[in-house]
Amino acid sequence: NAGVMQNPRHLVRRRGQEARLRCSPMKGHSHVYWYRQLPEEGLKFMVYLQKENIIDESGMPKERFSAEFPKEGPSILRIQQVVRGDSAAYFCASSPGIRNEKLFFGSGTQLSVL
Amino acid sequence: GENVEQHPSTLSVQEGDSAVIKCTYSDSASNYFPWYKQELGKRPQLIIDIRSNVGEKKDQRIAVTLNKTAKHFSLHITETQPEDSAVYFCAASISSGGSYIPTFGRGTSLIVHP
Repeated sequence: NAGVMQNPRHLVRRRGQEARLRCSPMKGHSHVYWYRQLPEEGLKFMVYLQKENIIDESGMPKERFSAEFPKEGPSILRIQQVVRGDSAAYFCASSPGIRNEKLFFGSGTQLSVL
Repeated sequence: GENVEQHPSTLSVQEGDSAVIKCTYSDSASNYFPWYKQELGKRPQLIIDIRSNVGEKKDQRIAVTLNKTAKHFSLHITETQPEDSAVYFCAASISSGGSYIPTFGRGTSLIVHP
């Protein structure tokens, strides 16, 4: 059973470009979370999705950021018109849900905005 | 929303000593408290968790205690080894109806000197 897969591991973008981060949850997991990590700031919640539904996006900026988890395929975190302040590690985690709260994290995507 | 405070931010111990990391939470409805370990450049991984109906849980050299009245919980590592060196994150979440969102502390960097 493969773990949570994130790609790319490293992503370099120039200011104004778009960044697309992908996350394939573990097999059988229907809950996906996106967290952002800055040095010495811990893991900041961004968005929580279940298949085809956004459950909670209270941690995600209203502008430029969007997320989806389609019926088929990986979850996508999309950042439009990136700025230098978007540079961070973005972690995806999945869980089976329903009475099993354990999160399994991917290896993260390090986004660098030049 | 939930707020989790974690202390200390850095902890340096000698091999064989014990290490204690403390967290407080704000929402008395929180009922699930996991701890994650993140080694340098790697993904966070669950090491132990505790639910609100339990006061203490042990797994070999690690243990977690929970004081619901005071709204704080702690991670205890005994007989520390160099491979315990990592960043440790506590989290708190309300688990109900199949949905939950863990809120993480800022992390504790544990350094075990051989």
